Amino acid sequence: DAGVIQSPRHEVTEMGQEVTLRCKPISGHDYLFWYRQTMMRGLELLIYFNNNVPIDDSGMPEDRFSAKMPNASFSTLKIQPSEPRDSAVYFCASSFFRQGGETQYFGPGTRLLVL
Amino acid sequence: KQEVTQIPAALSVPEGENLVLNCSFTDSAIYNLQWFRQDPGKGLTSLLLIQSSQREQTSGRLNASLDKSSGRSTLYIAASQPGDSATYLCAVLDYGGSQGNLIFGKGTKLSVKP
Repeated sequence: DAGVIQSPRHEVTEMGQEVTLRCKPISGHDYLFWYRQTMMRGLELLIYFNNNVPIDDSGMPEDRFSAKMPNASFSTLKIQPSEPRDSAVYFCASSFFRQGGETQYFGPGTRLLVL
Repeated sequence: KQEVTQIPAALSVPEGENLVLNCSFTDSAIYNLQWFRQDPGKGLTSLLLIQSSQREQTSGRLNASLDKSSGRSTLYIAASQPGDSATYLCAVLDYGGSQGNLIFGKGTKLSVKP
């Protein structure tokens, strides 16, 4: 398997523009996670899905952020409108359920810069 | 609210040295604890996962221990190599949450000098 795939790898945009980040999880994994990493706050969970259904979106910073998972092999994280404070690295990860927890497999991340 | 702390934030050692990275967490009610490695510009790679019922896990030159009662874990790296240079993150899976409630420390940036 190719692992978790994210696109784009880098995104530079201007404040107010819409940004869409994409993720393809590992085939067979039924959990998908979106994280954001910054120097100040470290790695934070934004939202996660189980079998394409959003389970916990309490980490989504505000209404400007939205995430979808239309099928088992694709998810998007959208920011509209974007702001400079959204600049960060956004990671997608996937896993399958196992009692006691299973490790998560991370994608390479999307480095977002909002000017 | 669970908090995960890693000390030190950065560490520089000469090649060949044995070293210990520390992780502490505030709530002992965890499913498991995991250690990840992150290389610059890359995603995270899982190194070791310790279930709450276990005391330690080993993989090659890496050994991770878990003391739930004291809220501590250590990652021991034997005979360090320049290729071990990376940021190491500790994460706990909370009982209070669910599969997704993985809480990360901010990491220890390790530099191994030849």
